[in-house]
Amino acid sequence: DAGVIQSPRHEVTEMGQEVTLRCKPISGHDYLFWYRQTMMRGLELLIYFNNNVPIDDSGMPEDRFSAKMPNASFSTLKIQPSEPRDSAVYFCASSLEPAYSGSNQPQHFGDGTRLSIL
Amino acid sequence: AQKVTQAQTEISVVEKEDVTLDCVYETRDTTYYLFWYKQPPSGELVFLIRRNSFDEQNEISGRYSWNFQKSTSSFNFTITASQVVDSAVYFCALGTLSGGYNKLIFGAGTRLAVHP
Repeated sequence: DAGVIQSPRHEVTEMGQEVTLRCKPISGHDYLFWYRQTMMRGLELLIYFNNNVPIDDSGMPEDRFSAKMPNASFSTLKIQPSEPRDSAVYFCASSLEPAYSGSNQPQHFGDGTRLSIL
Repeated sequence: AQKVTQAQTEISVVEKEDVTLDCVYETRDTTYYLFWYKQPPSGELVFLIRRNSFDEQNEISGRYSWNFQKSTSSFNFTITASQVVDSAVYFCALGTLSGGYNKLIFGAGTRLAVHP
């Protein structure tokens, strides 16, 4: 079975450029999450969607960040304009059911996008 | 406030040694979930286990075992007879009712190095 697919795997761009990260969740999963991992702050949840609707975006750092989920099989995280402090590994994850359901369904993570802003 | 503390930043062991990774959590919720994830050098995050707050039974899966103790708010992870392939960063995470369960809070991670 295909897991969560993220693209690109690596992105290097100059400050001020627009960056778009892409994610394809596992088919049938109703929840999609965007995380950011840095040495300083560890793993942080940026935003998550349920049935394509953003539920909690309190982790989004600032207005330069935006996320969309136009359909059940695709999500984007956009940074415009990008800054060097945005350099991090960005993970997308999906899950079949909420964590409080009776089933033991965890969040499945993609391989991440390593973003470097010069 | 919800918080996960993994006090051990790095652990280094020799192959075949047993090693325990500590995880201490804080929450006022009575219903919550605890997780362990593994991040090998390749970078992906691999789910290992999920426990809910009502189930304090310890769990064993091969060389891996988990000890959940509500009295000390700990969810420790033990690898028996460690192997080089166990080298990775291990994260403990907490999901709570007040956080909507889906908003996992991760600890800082423990980097485990297993040497031959």
